Amino acid sequence: GQQVMQIPQYQHVQEGEDFTTYCNSSTTLSNIQWYKQRPGGHPVFLIQLVKSGEVKKQKRLTFQFGEAKKNSSLHITATQTTDVGTYFCEGNTPLVFGKGTRLSVIA
Amino acid sequence: DTGVSQDPRHKITKRGQNVTFRCDPISEHNRLYWYRQTLGQGPEFLTYFQNEAQLEKSRLLSDRFSAERPKGSFSTLEIQRTEQGDSAMYLCASSFQGAAGYTFGSGTRLTVV
Repeated sequence: GQQVMQIPQYQHVQEGEDFTTYCNSSTTLSNIQWYKQRPGGHPVFLIQLVKSGEVKKQKRLTFQFGEAKKNSSLHITATQTTDVGTYFCEGNTPLVFGKGTRLSVIA
Repeated sequence: DTGVSQDPRHKITKRGQNVTFRCDPISEHNRLYWYRQTLGQGPEFLTYFQNEAQLEKSRLLSDRFSAERPKGSFSTLEIQRTEQGDSAMYLCASSFQGAAGYTFGSGTRLTVV
């Protein structure tokens, strides 16, 4: 079945450093969603990418969808302590979440 | 307030007992999803409904798990003869067909002792 792999599993950064998490699927995705889950919280939808090669930005967050629609990335510029949490990608053919990348930001 | 309500928030049960959880989605959402999440893992898909129809069910889901959404509004997830391995956070989410992303509830944390 389809698998969605995320790397790295953990990332510790100093506040102000950049952060990137990568999502790779074993099969072509129709679209991909990104979620953020704060410690003790539930996943919160961030964005959906649909088109091959698509790039979307939300303030300091940049999301990319690969040309082959098998991989995606989330890049955070100049991390802040409010960015702490686990970032998940989800491919919906079928509904499969990656294991997430846990981001820690050291002030 | 996310708009998706789950009840109860916590449930402790003895192994072998049956448990039932309830999810009330955002009222205008016609799709409802159940996920299970254990520590350090991503949400694992269990099943989803469009209106009252159960459209997909994970092959990982044993016969001890059943979900219903009889009137296309709230949903229940029942686990029969609970096992310690069922201990997890059970998350419900809803969406409107064609819309991007889901809105998750706060979850029901199940502990089987």
